[in-house]
Amino acid sequence: EVQLVESGGGLVQPGGSLRLSCAASGFTFSSYSMNWVRQAPGKGLEWVSHISSSSSTIYYADSVKGRFTISRDNAKNSLYLQINNLKDEDTAVYYCATDRPALRGYFDYWGQGALVTVSS
Amino acid sequence: DIQMTQSPSSLSASVGDRVTITCRASQGISSWLAWYQQKPEKAPKSLIYDASSLQSGVPSRFSGSGSGTDFTLTISSLQPEDFATYYCQQYKSYPLTFGQGTRLEIK
Repeated sequence: EVQLVESGGGLVQPGGSLRLSCAASGFTFSSYSMNWVRQAPGKGLEWVSHISSSSSTIYYADSVKGRFTISRDNAKNSLYLQINNLKDEDTAVYYCATDRPALRGYFDYWGQGALVTVSS
Repeated sequence: DIQMTQSPSSLSASVGDRVTITCRASQGISSWLAWYQQKPEKAPKSLIYDASSLQSGVPSRFSGSGSGTDFTLTISSLQPEDFATYYCQQYKSYPLTFGQGTRLEIK
């Protein structure tokens, strides 16, 4: 069974930093591209970032470019999102999601989400 | 960026009804379209990919159609567990983009 478990969320002051993690199990993590998708309270879904299976290809939404860094450790079956210079508008639930192999950009499986709250 | 527009934004329907949700892309995306279902306080769930292919385990009352710029999600006979918010998403190009969502409520 595919499992994605996010962690690392919490309350952070504006300008602060945070690192989210996503622990993967039940599939060959090193063969899958991965993504972060977020959802602000009461709002819709927003794709944040993509990383290929080997980390050779990385994309970011314009809204986070320069502040967010996606990475992965295939030996640890883990995906990360380093978030710097947090802003109020970064308050959201952050989901990790797999790409379906050979169907890049389609989110096959989702984690349960990690809440990041930016507030002073 | 490709903009995705769903209609309606909300919809009231009864158990057993046939429901259709529409999604329009700002430019042609071939069949690179997915549909997701999200219930309150839960993660999204994948329903349909490539505009009309059903994700494994999804009931056959769900169906998708369309190509190019206009797409539809149809639920043939609403069940109590189908009341949720539905999102379309294009994966033709980055940045990946979602529609604003359609909230399906019980009448």
